[in-house]
Amino acid sequence: DAGITQSPRHKVTETGTPVTLRCHQTENHRYMYWYRQDPGHGLRLIHYSYGVKDTDKGEVSDGYSVSRSKTEDFLLTLESATSSQTSVYFCAISGSGRGETQYFGPGTRLLVL
Amino acid sequence: DQQVKQNSPSLSVQEGRISILNCDYTNSMFDYFLWYKKYPAEGPTFLISISSIKDKNEDGRFTVFLNKSAKHLSLHIVPSQPGDSAVYFCAASVSGANNLFFGTGTRLTVIP
Repeated sequence: DAGITQSPRHKVTETGTPVTLRCHQTENHRYMYWYRQDPGHGLRLIHYSYGVKDTDKGEVSDGYSVSRSKTEDFLLTLESATSSQTSVYFCAISGSGRGETQYFGPGTRLLVL
Repeated sequence: DQQVKQNSPSLSVQEGRISILNCDYTNSMFDYFLWYKKYPAEGPTFLISISSIKDKNEDGRFTVFLNKSAKHLSLHIVPSQPGDSAVYFCAASVSGANNLFFGTGTRLTVIP
């Protein structure tokens, strides 16, 4: 199994509060991704990173920001959480991007009340 | 618009029989396809993949078939085992791009 951890694993927060989710990898992979999983939608890409300080938007990036200051850590921030951001968030990693197989972390279940 | 579709939300199969999970896609630029398996409260686990230059890829009990003209792929599991019970996601990508597009998943239940 790829060495990917996510923290926290569960979080309950209130609308309007900031939330930061962390993804940590021990594989030294260049590419890191944040997805959200919702019923009826499968997994959708929020943001991804192709190196330290290099990030780009995915399919559903509105309301989210990311940062990557170290190869091993990729942070996802909800600046002001909304109920529509209640979801399960997965981090993934891959060695070279370009459609290569991605390996997923265990997920963070977020509930915004 | 969902570019990758799994039209069967669920499938039940007897242990020992074949499980066939289907996936359709609309983007003809997709050239790499993957299947992931997901257990509750865990992340998706990579199962098997296929490049568009092939029409079949086999790994043990798992075989993926690709029909490019029909924009259709399927995952065959033979023989099915109770431990195969999970949600299976089909995903597709374009070489050079960084996004995987996922289907909505099919929940497979293998009945002992």
